[in-house]
Amino acid sequence: SAVISQKPSRDICQRGTSLTIQCQVDSQVTMMFWYRQQPGQSLTLIATANQGSEATYESGFVIDKFPISRPNLTFSTLTVSNMSPEDSSIYLCSVDKQAETQYFGPGTRLLVL
Amino acid sequence: QKEVEQNSGPLSVPEGAIASLNCTYSDRGSQSFFWYRQYSGKSPELIMFIYSNGDKEDGRFTAQLNKASQYVSLLIRDSQPSDSATYLCAEGSSASKIIFGSGTRLSIRP
Repeated sequence: SAVISQKPSRDICQRGTSLTIQCQVDSQVTMMFWYRQQPGQSLTLIATANQGSEATYESGFVIDKFPISRPNLTFSTLTVSNMSPEDSSIYLCSVDKQAETQYFGPGTRLLVL
Repeated sequence: QKEVEQNSGPLSVPEGAIASLNCTYSDRGSQSFFWYRQYSGKSPELIMFIYSNGDKEDGRFTAQLNKASQYVSLLIRDSQPSDSATYLCAEGSSASKIIFGSGTRLSIRP
C-alpha cells in the first residue's frame, strides 16, 4: 500500500476564490489521480496527474477550472478555481502502486459559501 | 462508455450471517475488478481485487468474478457491525484508471 496525506483536510471558502489542495505520497509512484465525491455520490475521476507533462482531464473537467501540478513522483496539487457552491465536495487523490491497484488519501472536504 | 452498476441498498444483514454484494459491468473486455469499503466520512479503502474468473478468498471476504455474465460479487462471512459501510465496486480501465459504481450501503444489525 502507500501512505498518502492531503492538505488541507477541510476548508470553507467564499464564492469566487480558489483553493489549492496538496497530495503527498511516502514513496515514488508513476500514476496519481484526482477524484471528486459529491455528497451521497460515488467517485468521479477529475484527471490523471502526469509527472513532467500536462494532466489528462476526463470529460466535463477542464484545466482552467481544475489546474493540476505534478512536479515530481511523490507530490501533486489540485486547484479548484473561481469556486461556486456547486464545487462543495470531497476531493481525493489516489495513487497506483501496483497492477492498477489504487490507494486513496484521506480527502479534503470543501464547502463553498 | 464503461459503466459499473450496483444496487444502492441499504442492504440489511443480521450479525453473523453472510452479506452478498453484487455488481455488473458493461465492458466485456475489462480485466481487473476491485471492491472498496468506505466508512462514512472516510476515504475508500481497498479490500479485494480480482482478475481471474472464479473465487478469491481473503479472510472473511470472497470476491467472485464471472466474465461471461459480466458479474462481480463480494461475500462477507460472519458479518460484524464493523462491516457496516458503503461498498464500492470498480473496474479497471485504460491507463490505470478505475471506474467506480455508485456503491451499496450495507448495514449489519446486531
